[in-house]
Amino acid sequence: GDSVTQMEGPVTLSEEAFLTINCTYTATGYPSLFWYVQYPGEGLQLLLKATKADDKGSNKGFEATYRKETTSFHLEKGSVQVSDSAVYFCALTQRNTGGFKTIFGAGTRLFVKA
Amino acid sequence: GAVVSQHPSWVICKSGTSVKIECRSLDFQATTMFWYRQFPKQSLMLMATSNEGSKATYEQGVEKDKFLINHASLTLSTLTVTSAHPEDSSFYICSVRKQTDTQYFGPGTRLTVL
Repeated sequence: GDSVTQMEGPVTLSEEAFLTINCTYTATGYPSLFWYVQYPGEGLQLLLKATKADDKGSNKGFEATYRKETTSFHLEKGSVQVSDSAVYFCALTQRNTGGFKTIFGAGTRLFVKA
Repeated sequence: GAVVSQHPSWVICKSGTSVKIECRSLDFQATTMFWYRQFPKQSLMLMATSNEGSKATYEQGVEKDKFLINHASLTLSTLTVTSAHPEDSSFYICSVRKQTDTQYFGPGTRLTVL
Protein backbone atom coordinates (compact mmCIF):
# COMPACT_ATOMS: atom_id res chain seq x y z
CA GLY A 1 0.00 0.00 0.00
CA ASP A 2 0.88 3.66 -0.11
CA SER A 3 3.28 4.95 2.51
CA VAL A 4 5.28 8.00 3.54
CA THR A 5 8.64 7.89 5.26
CA GLN A 6 10.26 10.93 6.77
CA MET A 7 13.43 11.42 8.74
CA GLU A 8 13.26 10.82 12.43
CA GLY A 9 13.64 13.69 14.77
CA PRO A 10 14.08 15.63 16.72
CA VAL A 11 16.08 17.99 14.60
CA THR A 12 17.80 20.75 16.57
CA LEU A 13 19.21 23.76 14.76
CA SER A 14 20.47 27.18 15.63
CA GLU A 15 18.64 30.23 14.35
CA GLU A 16 19.50 31.08 10.71
CA ALA A 17 20.72 27.56 9.97
CA PHE A 18 19.69 25.68 6.82
CA LEU A 19 16.94 23.11 7.23
CA THR A 20 16.30 19.90 5.32
CA ILE A 21 13.71 17.34 6.35
CA ASN A 22 13.72 14.32 4.08
CA CYS A 23 10.52 12.70 2.89
CA THR A 24 10.08 9.78 0.50
CA TYR A 25 6.92 8.05 -0.55
CA THR A 26 5.60 4.87 -2.08
CA ALA A 27 2.45 5.12 -4.13
CA THR A 28 0.76 3.81 -7.21
CA GLY A 29 -0.49 6.42 -9.60
CA TYR A 30 0.12 10.12 -9.20
CA PRO A 31 -0.53 11.38 -5.68
CA SER A 32 -0.48 14.97 -4.50
CA LEU A 33 2.18 15.69 -1.90
CA PHE A 34 1.92 17.94 1.13
CA TRP A 35 3.81 19.32 4.06
CA TYR A 36 1.76 20.16 7.14
CA VAL A 37 3.04 21.90 10.28
CA GLN A 38 1.73 21.40 13.81
CA TYR A 39 2.52 23.89 16.55
CA PRO A 40 2.27 22.76 20.17
CA GLY A 41 -1.28 22.01 21.24
CA GLU A 42 -2.75 22.84 17.86
CA GLY A 43 -4.09 21.03 14.82
CA LEU A 44 -2.26 20.76 11.53
CA GLN A 45 -1.83 23.64 9.13
CA LEU A 46 -1.10 23.27 5.44
CA LEU A 47 2.41 24.53 4.79
CA LEU A 48 2.79 23.76 1.09
CA LYS A 49 1.75 21.31 -1.58
CA ALA A 50 2.64 20.02 -5.04
CA THR A 51 0.29 18.16 -7.30
CA LYS A 52 2.51 16.81 -10.07
CA ALA A 53 6.06 15.88 -10.88
CA ASP A 54 8.62 18.73 -10.86
CA ASP A 55 6.16 21.11 -9.17
CA LYS A 56 7.69 23.19 -6.40
CA GLY A 57 5.57 24.14 -3.44
CA SER A 58 6.65 27.15 -1.39
CA ASN A 59 5.39 29.15 1.56
CA LYS A 60 6.93 31.26 4.34
CA GLY A 61 10.45 30.56 3.05
CA PHE A 62 9.90 26.80 2.96
CA GLU A 63 10.20 24.89 -0.30
CA ALA A 64 9.74 21.33 -1.51
CA THR A 65 9.96 19.87 -5.02
CA TYR A 66 7.95 16.86 -6.19
CA ARG A 67 10.60 14.44 -7.51
CA LYS A 68 8.98 11.47 -9.16
CA GLU A 69 12.26 9.85 -10.20
CA THR A 70 13.40 9.64 -6.59
CA THR A 71 9.87 9.54 -5.07
CA SER A 72 10.85 12.35 -2.75
CA PHE A 73 9.45 15.61 -1.44
CA HIS A 74 12.15 17.02 0.84
CA LEU A 75 11.36 20.15 2.83
CA GLU A 76 13.96 22.94 2.89
CA LYS A 77 14.36 26.38 4.36
CA GLY A 78 17.41 28.55 3.96
CA SER A 79 17.32 30.27 7.34
CA VAL A 80 15.18 28.97 10.19
CA GLN A 81 13.76 31.04 13.02
CA VAL A 82 12.82 30.14 16.57
CA SER A 83 9.18 30.48 15.54
CA ASP A 84 9.64 27.58 13.10
CA SER A 85 9.90 25.17 16.01
CA ALA A 86 7.08 22.69 15.44
CA VAL A 87 6.34 19.20 14.14
CA TYR A 88 6.37 18.79 10.38
CA PHE A 89 4.35 16.09 8.62
CA CYS A 90 4.86 14.93 5.07
CA ALA A 91 1.73 13.47 3.47
CA LEU A 92 0.33 12.19 0.23
CA THR A 93 -3.24 12.20 -0.99
CA GLN A 94 -4.37 9.64 -3.47
CA ARG A 95 -7.66 9.05 -5.20
CA ASN A 96 -9.00 5.55 -4.61
CA THR A 97 -12.26 3.75 -5.14
CA GLY A 98 -13.69 5.26 -1.96
CA GLY A 99 -12.66 8.81 -2.72
CA PHE A 100 -9.50 10.55 -1.56
CA LYS A 101 -7.27 9.15 1.15
CA THR A 102 -4.38 10.86 2.90
CA ILE A 103 -1.36 9.03 4.30
CA PHE A 104 0.82 10.88 6.81
CA GLY A 105 4.44 10.36 7.69
CA ALA A 106 5.39 9.94 11.32
CA GLY A 107 6.30 13.60 11.75
CA THR A 108 9.63 15.31 12.43
CA ARG A 109 9.99 17.57 15.43
CA LEU A 110 12.13 20.67 14.85
CA PHE A 111 13.68 22.70 17.64
CA VAL A 112 15.30 26.01 16.72
CA LYS A 113 17.57 27.61 19.33
CA ALA A 114 18.15 31.34 19.55
CA GLY B 1 -8.38 27.99 2.81
CA ALA B 2 -11.18 26.89 5.06
CA VAL B 3 -11.85 27.69 8.70
CA VAL B 4 -12.58 24.71 10.92
CA SER B 5 -13.38 24.90 14.61
CA GLN B 6 -13.64 22.24 17.27
CA HIS B 7 -15.35 22.30 20.62
CA PRO B 8 -14.30 21.74 23.28
CA SER B 9 -10.57 22.30 22.93
CA TRP B 10 -9.95 20.06 25.91
CA VAL B 11 -12.06 17.86 28.13
CA ILE B 12 -11.47 15.74 31.20
CA CYS B 13 -14.01 13.08 32.06
CA LYS B 14 -14.46 10.10 34.32
CA SER B 15 -14.14 6.57 33.04
CA GLY B 16 -17.46 5.21 31.80
CA THR B 17 -18.93 8.54 30.73
CA SER B 18 -19.54 9.70 27.16
CA VAL B 19 -17.98 12.73 25.57
CA LYS B 20 -19.16 14.63 22.49
CA ILE B 21 -16.75 16.60 20.31
CA GLU B 22 -18.04 19.04 17.70
CA CYS B 23 -16.37 19.94 14.43
CA ARG B 24 -17.68 22.93 12.51
CA SER B 25 -16.81 24.18 9.06
CA LEU B 26 -17.28 27.93 9.46
CA ASP B 27 -16.97 29.19 5.90
CA PHE B 28 -17.55 26.16 3.73
CA GLN B 29 -20.28 23.59 3.30
CA ALA B 30 -18.54 20.30 3.82
CA THR B 31 -20.24 17.17 2.54
CA THR B 32 -17.33 15.18 3.93
CA MET B 33 -15.38 15.61 7.13
CA PHE B 34 -12.65 13.42 8.56
CA TRP B 35 -11.86 12.41 12.12
CA TYR B 36 -8.30 11.62 13.16
CA ARG B 37 -6.70 10.48 16.37
CA GLN B 38 -3.20 11.42 17.37
CA PHE B 39 -1.26 9.83 20.21
CA PRO B 40 1.55 11.80 21.87
CA LYS B 41 4.48 12.35 19.55
CA GLN B 42 2.91 10.22 16.85
CA SER B 43 1.30 10.80 13.50
CA LEU B 44 -2.37 11.11 12.71
CA MET B 45 -4.48 8.02 12.34
CA LEU B 46 -7.64 8.32 10.27
CA MET B 47 -10.57 7.00 12.28
CA ALA B 48 -13.48 7.62 9.98
CA THR B 49 -14.89 9.64 7.14
CA SER B 50 -18.04 11.52 8.06
CA ASN B 51 -20.58 11.91 5.27
CA GLU B 52 -23.41 14.44 5.52
CA GLY B 53 -26.76 12.75 5.70
CA SER B 54 -25.44 9.19 5.71
CA LYS B 55 -23.48 6.77 7.83
CA ALA B 56 -19.83 7.36 8.49
CA THR B 57 -17.20 5.13 6.94
CA TYR B 58 -14.89 3.71 9.60
CA GLU B 59 -11.30 2.59 9.12
CA GLN B 60 -10.35 -0.95 9.90
CA GLY B 61 -9.92 -1.52 13.61
CA VAL B 62 -12.01 1.47 14.71
CA GLU B 63 -15.08 0.50 16.75
CA LYS B 64 -18.08 2.25 15.25
CA ASP B 65 -20.21 1.58 18.33
CA LYS B 66 -17.65 3.25 20.53
CA PHE B 67 -16.89 6.24 18.33
CA LEU B 68 -20.27 7.49 17.14
CA ILE B 69 -20.19 9.99 14.32
CA ASN B 70 -23.10 12.17 13.28
CA HIS B 71 -22.87 14.53 10.30
CA ALA B 72 -26.30 16.10 10.43
CA SER B 73 -25.59 19.25 8.44
CA LEU B 74 -23.10 20.59 5.94
CA THR B 75 -21.29 22.54 8.64
CA LEU B 76 -21.33 20.23 11.65
CA SER B 77 -20.02 16.78 12.43
CA THR B 78 -19.89 15.32 15.93
CA LEU B 79 -17.79 12.53 17.38
CA THR B 80 -19.08 10.90 20.56
CA VAL B 81 -16.73 8.71 22.53
CA THR B 82 -19.05 6.37 24.40
CA SER B 83 -18.18 4.77 27.73
CA ALA B 84 -14.77 6.35 27.64
CA HIS B 85 -11.79 4.64 29.23
CA PRO B 86 -8.27 5.88 29.96
CA GLU B 87 -6.95 4.27 26.77
CA ASP B 88 -9.26 6.59 24.79
CA SER B 89 -7.28 9.58 26.04
CA SER B 90 -5.85 11.21 22.95
CA PHE B 91 -5.86 14.26 20.71
CA TYR B 92 -8.80 14.17 18.30
CA ILE B 93 -8.61 16.26 15.15
CA CYS B 94 -11.18 16.81 12.44
CA SER B 95 -10.67 18.09 8.93
CA VAL B 96 -12.61 19.10 5.86
CA ARG B 97 -11.63 18.66 2.25
CA LYS B 98 -12.39 21.84 0.34
CA GLN B 99 -10.65 21.17 -2.93
CA THR B 100 -10.12 17.74 -4.33
CA ASP B 101 -6.92 16.99 -2.47
CA THR B 102 -6.30 19.63 0.21
CA GLN B 103 -7.47 19.19 3.80
CA TYR B 104 -8.05 21.90 6.38
CA PHE B 105 -7.78 20.86 9.99
CA GLY B 106 -9.47 21.91 13.16
CA PRO B 107 -7.37 22.90 16.18
CA GLY B 108 -7.97 19.57 17.88
CA THR B 109 -9.59 18.39 21.10
CA ARG B 110 -7.54 16.88 23.87
CA LEU B 111 -9.47 14.21 25.74
CA THR B 112 -8.27 12.94 29.10
CA VAL B 113 -10.18 10.09 30.70
CA LEU B 114 -9.50 9.56 34.38
